[in-house]
Amino acid sequence: DAGVTQSPTHLIKTRGQQVTLRCSPKSGHDTVSWYQQALGQGPQFIFQYYEEEERQRGNFPDRFSGHQFPNYSSELNVNALLLGDSALYLCASSWGLNQPQHFGDGTRLSIL
Amino acid sequence: DAKTTQPNSMESNEEEPVHLPCNHSTISGTDYIHWYRQLPSQGPEYVIHGLTSNVNNRMASLAIAEDRKSSTLILHRATLRDAAVYYCILRPVNTGNQFYFGTGTSLTVIP
Repeated sequence: DAGVTQSPTHLIKTRGQQVTLRCSPKSGHDTVSWYQQALGQGPQFIFQYYEEEERQRGNFPDRFSGHQFPNYSSELNVNALLLGDSALYLCASSWGLNQPQHFGDGTRLSIL
Repeated sequence: DAKTTQPNSMESNEEEPVHLPCNHSTISGTDYIHWYRQLPSQGPEYVIHGLTSNVNNRMASLAIAEDRKSSTLILHRATLRDAAVYYCILRPVNTGNQFYFGTGTSLTVIP
């Protein structure tokens, strides 16, 4: 039973570019959340998707957007990349809105 | 967001019990207490959660104070594989899965 899978594992971009990160939830899970984790910090909540809609959003600008597909997989898009966007981006899935979350191992995004 | 306070770091000897404390004085009646841990180069891993009563599972035990303003994660016999950052998180019931992680406690296990 595959857990949460994220792609790519590493990515290097330059300032001003756009990036798309992908997440496949654990089998049987229908809710996907995205987090940003800077070096030495705890993960920061970006947003959550359920039934293909954004249900909750953390304190992140509109440059961060997402999508959930009918098969429950999800994408995180970041436009106009800044140096401060360099971080580990984590995807977490759960069944419904209130169950414990299962995390992937993240995508390491570096901005040059 | 309801906040938690944890020590930045703790050490434990291998095969000894470890008690990881968490203060959450602003907890509301509908907040569940969750614990996750993050091993190096991995995503966070669910450990345990509870509301009012103490909870046990194969990984750990969760002791919740009677007034719910604090809790303790108990690892009964620390192993080297338990070296990780442990996060105590409050999550309101029925309002979704928005987690506030904080900076957690970095646990070092000494052989």
